[in-house]
Amino acid sequence: TAGITQAPTSQILAAGRSMTLRCTQDMRHNAMYWYRQDLGLGLRLIHYSNNAGTTGKGEVPDGYSVSRANTDDFPLTLASAVPSQTSVYFCASSRGPGNTIYFGEGSWLTVV
Amino acid sequence: GQQVMQIPQYQHVQEGEDFTTYCNSSTTLSNIQWYKQRPGGHPVFLIQLVKSGEVKKQKRLTFQFGEAKKNSSLHITATQTTDVGTYFCAGRWVNAGGTSYGKLTFGQGTILTVHP
Repeated sequence: TAGITQAPTSQILAAGRSMTLRCTQDMRHNAMYWYRQDLGLGLRLIHYSNNAGTTGKGEVPDGYSVSRANTDDFPLTLASAVPSQTSVYFCASSRGPGNTIYFGEGSWLTVV
Repeated sequence: GQQVMQIPQYQHVQEGEDFTTYCNSSTTLSNIQWYKQRPGGHPVFLIQLVKSGEVKKQKRLTFQFGEAKKNSSLHITATQTTDVGTYFCAGRWVNAGGTSYGKLTFGQGTILTVHP
């Protein structure tokens, strides 16, 4: 079972460029999330979606946007990347808001 | 906003020593989950605690949920090098009426290193 697939695995991006991190899940989970992980700061929620067609802002949403056109896909877009967005990004999903969260393998992004 | 505070941030132990990480919330939690992230990997679910005072064990790992459901701990007995990684707790809150609300919120994690 694939679970959650993220792409790309890693990317070096020039500051000012836009980029979309892709995330697909095959578990038919209602809820999906995007986290960023930085040393000493743990996992910080960027955006989430409780169901297809709805999204919400997490703890650190500025500079990011998401869409949830269907159950399976939850792309994260950086409209104009800045160096502070250098991080590891994890897409995740769960059956519902309080259920076990399943994480993708992560996307390592470096903005230079 | 509400937070789950996790301590310590780092812990270095000698192989064979015990290890404990703690999570605390200022308000009552409906449930708490624990995750482990190996170096270079992604967080993986370990266990969920729901009941007041609940204790669960997984081999050398013991998980506890406080009586007031505001704190939790993960204790590893006789650490091994395979225990290396970051341990996260994640909690969800409950209102005065007993209804869970919000999303699971992660603590900052405890990074465990084990010296062989």
